[in-house]
Amino acid sequence: DAGITQSPRHKVTETGTPVTLRCHQTENHRYMYWYRQDPGHGLRLIHYSYGVKDTDKGEVSDGYSVSRSKTEDFLLTLESATSSQTSVYFCAISSAGLAGVDTQYFGPGTRLTVL
Amino acid sequence: GNSVTQMEGPVTLSEEAFLTINCTYTATGYPSLFWYVQYPGEGLQLLLKATKADDKGSNKGFEATYRKETTSFHLEKGSVQVSDSAVYFCALTDSGAGSYQLTFGKGTKLSVIP
Repeated sequence: DAGITQSPRHKVTETGTPVTLRCHQTENHRYMYWYRQDPGHGLRLIHYSYGVKDTDKGEVSDGYSVSRSKTEDFLLTLESATSSQTSVYFCAISSAGLAGVDTQYFGPGTRLTVL
Repeated sequence: GNSVTQMEGPVTLSEEAFLTINCTYTATGYPSLFWYVQYPGEGLQLLLKATKADDKGSNKGFEATYRKETTSFHLEKGSVQVSDSAVYFCALTDSGAGSYQLTFGKGTKLSVIP
């Protein structure tokens, strides 16, 4: 199994509070991703990173920010949590090969509930 | 843009039945195709992949063939087991379009009953 951990694994918070989720990898992979999983939507990309301090937006980035100050850590921040951000959040990592084939490996997920 | 469409679930099968989960895609470049599986309470695991037309990915008795002419990547297994009960996601990356992002289908929940 790829060395990916997420913390916390479960969190309950209130509307309007800031929340930070952490993804940590031990694989030294260049690419890191944050997804959210919601019923009927599958997984949708929030933000991704292609190197230290290099990040870009995904499909559903509104209300989220990210930071990557070290290769191994990718943080997802909800500046002011809303109930629509209740979801399961997955981190993924990948190391694109010469052919550009990008197999992503996923962490165990963080279940976030915003009341 | 890129998109993946997979059959709606849930799918309920008896043990040892034949499984097909349909997946079709649209892509602007040269996609690689994947099937991921998510067991209850866990993250996603790569099940199999194919990187070019006519490639067949296989793992744990599951197979899928990359069909460019029909833009499909259907998942099949000849004899399912109770332990195959999970949610299955079809996905693609389109590195030829300059992106390494994964685009997922919505997932198909499979339940296998003894």
